Amino acid sequence: NAGVMQNPRHLVRRRGQEARLRCSPMKGHSHVYWYRQLPEEGLKFMVYLQKENIIDESGMPKERFSAEFPKEGPSILRIQQVVRGDSAAYFCASSPGQIGNTIYFGEGSWLTVV
Amino acid sequence: QQQVKQSPQSLIVQKGGISIINCAYENTAFDYFPWYQQFPGKGPALLIAIRPDVSEKKEGRFTISFNKSAKQFSLHIMDSQPGDSATYFCAASRQTGANNLFFGTGTRLTVIP
Repeated sequence: NAGVMQNPRHLVRRRGQEARLRCSPMKGHSHVYWYRQLPEEGLKFMVYLQKENIIDESGMPKERFSAEFPKEGPSILRIQQVVRGDSAAYFCASSPGQIGNTIYFGEGSWLTVV
Repeated sequence: QQQVKQSPQSLIVQKGGISIINCAYENTAFDYFPWYQQFPGKGPALLIAIRPDVSEKKEGRFTISFNKSAKQFSLHIMDSQPGDSATYFCAASRQTGANNLFFGTGTRLTVIP
């Protein structure tokens, strides 16, 4: 049973470009979470999605960031017009969604903005 | 606002010793408290978790102690090994509704041979 799959694992973007990070949840999981980890810091919640719905985006910056989890295909975290401060590790996690279920993390996507 | 506070920031322990990491939370609606282990360049991996209906949970060398009235919980690693050297994060969430995890800031554990 494959775990949470994220790609790309490493991404380099110039300031002003767009970054797209993809996440395929574990098989059978319909809930996806995105977290950001800055160097030497903890994980900060960004957004929680179910298929075709955003449940909680309270941790998402209001501008330049968006997320989706379509009916078919992976969840996408999109960062427009990247700035140096966006350089971080972005982790996706998934859960089956029922009460009491564990959240499992992917290996992360490391974004570097130059 | 940091919903889960974690200490210490770093910890050095001799091989065979006990590692203790502490966390405190504010939101009394939290009812699920996992600990994650993260190695450099990897994603967090669930280590052990506890719900507030018990005060202690043990899995192998890892034990969570939970104090509901003090809103505190801690991770104890017995017989610490060099392979345990990693960053440990405590977290908290609700099991109903928007159950996203709120993480502590992490503890970097180094176990010296």
